[in-house]
Amino acid sequence: IAGITQAPTSQILAAGRRMTLRCTQDMRHNAMYWYRQDLGLGLRLIHYSNTAGTTGKGEVPDGYSVSRANTDDFPLTLASAVPSQTSVYFCASSRTSGGTDTQYFGPGTRLTVL
Amino acid sequence: GQNIDQPTEMTATEGAIVQINCTYQTSGFNGLFWYQQHAGEAPTFLSYNVLDGLEEKGRFSSFLSRSKGYSYLLLKELQMKDSASYLCAAEDSNYQLIWGAGTKLIIKP
Repeated sequence: IAGITQAPTSQILAAGRRMTLRCTQDMRHNAMYWYRQDLGLGLRLIHYSNTAGTTGKGEVPDGYSVSRANTDDFPLTLASAVPSQTSVYFCASSRTSGGTDTQYFGPGTRLTVL
Repeated sequence: GQNIDQPTEMTATEGAIVQINCTYQTSGFNGLFWYQQHAGEAPTFLSYNVLDGLEEKGRFSSFLSRSKGYSYLLLKELQMKDSASYLCAAEDSNYQLIWGAGTKLIIKP
């Protein structure tokens, strides 16, 4: 079934640990995105990639890094987790990076940093 | 700065009509999206407006006024399954989506 998968579904992490959230899509979409969603706030863009091999910073990039080695995968890495990174993380993709193209979301990863 | 405003919570009755408003201020504007998000799930696309006017799609309609920086989502014949959060997002000049915090819609029988 076409779509976006994310792993893990949830994770509890000790502060200071390194963590990579995985995201894979099989729709051959060019653009991919990482958002965090916190209670009372809108989705905030962390990083994005308009096409394989390129990445860009969103609204809240500090403490996070991404890579886009191929079309399908867009992992998000927390180099040294802090409690303020406790959030629900959504990966999304769209056919292209602008205009009318809809963003499709993965099921999310619920991350707790203690 | 860029900002999206929408009510935090609304309550409506099954079978009724509800209108969820959204106002936006962005650096440039390339369109307005509405998404639905059930509790614990991912957002799913509902509608997109780029020109002024009303777009109708079954029980759901979305309206845009570019001059007023205003949109609304109209839900008719409400069903219990419409209980969800409704997210408004404006696309800025860089084609990035600026998201509102969402409106939690509670449907009562």
